Amino acid sequence: GDSVTQMEGPVTLSEEAFLTINCTYTATGYPSLFWYVQYPGEGLQLLLKATKADDKGSNKGFEATYRKETTSFHLEKGSVQVSDSAVYFCALSDPSNYGGATNKLIFGTGTLLAVQP
Amino acid sequence: DSGVTQTPKHLITATGQRVTLRCSPRSGDLSVYWYQQSLDQGLQFLIQYYNGEERAKGNILERFSAQQFPDLHSELNLSSLELGDSALYFCASSPRLAGVRETQYFGPGTRLLVL
Repeated sequence: GDSVTQMEGPVTLSEEAFLTINCTYTATGYPSLFWYVQYPGEGLQLLLKATKADDKGSNKGFEATYRKETTSFHLEKGSVQVSDSAVYFCALSDPSNYGGATNKLIFGTGTLLAVQP
Repeated sequence: DSGVTQTPKHLITATGQRVTLRCSPRSGDLSVYWYQQSLDQGLQFLIQYYNGEERAKGNILERFSAQQFPDLHSELNLSSLELGDSALYFCASSPRLAGVRETQYFGPGTRLLVL
């Protein structure tokens, strides 16, 4: 079945450092890919998404490119801030795999990012 | 603020009890999804309703059930609670049943603690 694999955390960086969080996926169809962020004590917020190969999603300085050849959707940011400290989840949905009946999300395990001043 | 509301925010109860979690989707959204976030299982899809009808099921226990009402709010009922049911329960909504460009917007969650 479909699955998402994320790099293990925690990832600890100094402010203004470059961030990469790796995400790879397994899917039999043509999934859409997402990054969600969970700040401490809060719910999930959509950070960015991409719906087809070579699409680049971007938001708040974060970027991720849908790479079908490597089945990857790595999250990057050029210069992290303390306020970026959170748990980041990579996820996919693949309605083609379910007769178009659902966009249920399959999540990775999450990666905790801690940014130090 | 995603526009999805969930109540209550926190719930503490005892084993064997039954609780009801409530979700109001974003205005105009017809699909409601329920997810469970626990330390050992991570984030898992439980069930989806669309315009009042169940449309997809995930790893939802038989002790759990859900429904979506005519005003589109949804309730997740958890019964015969066990310690292992302690988790954060999220509701999400989206406009349609499914589609390549569909995005789910999440509520703040209900944290359930079973003692």
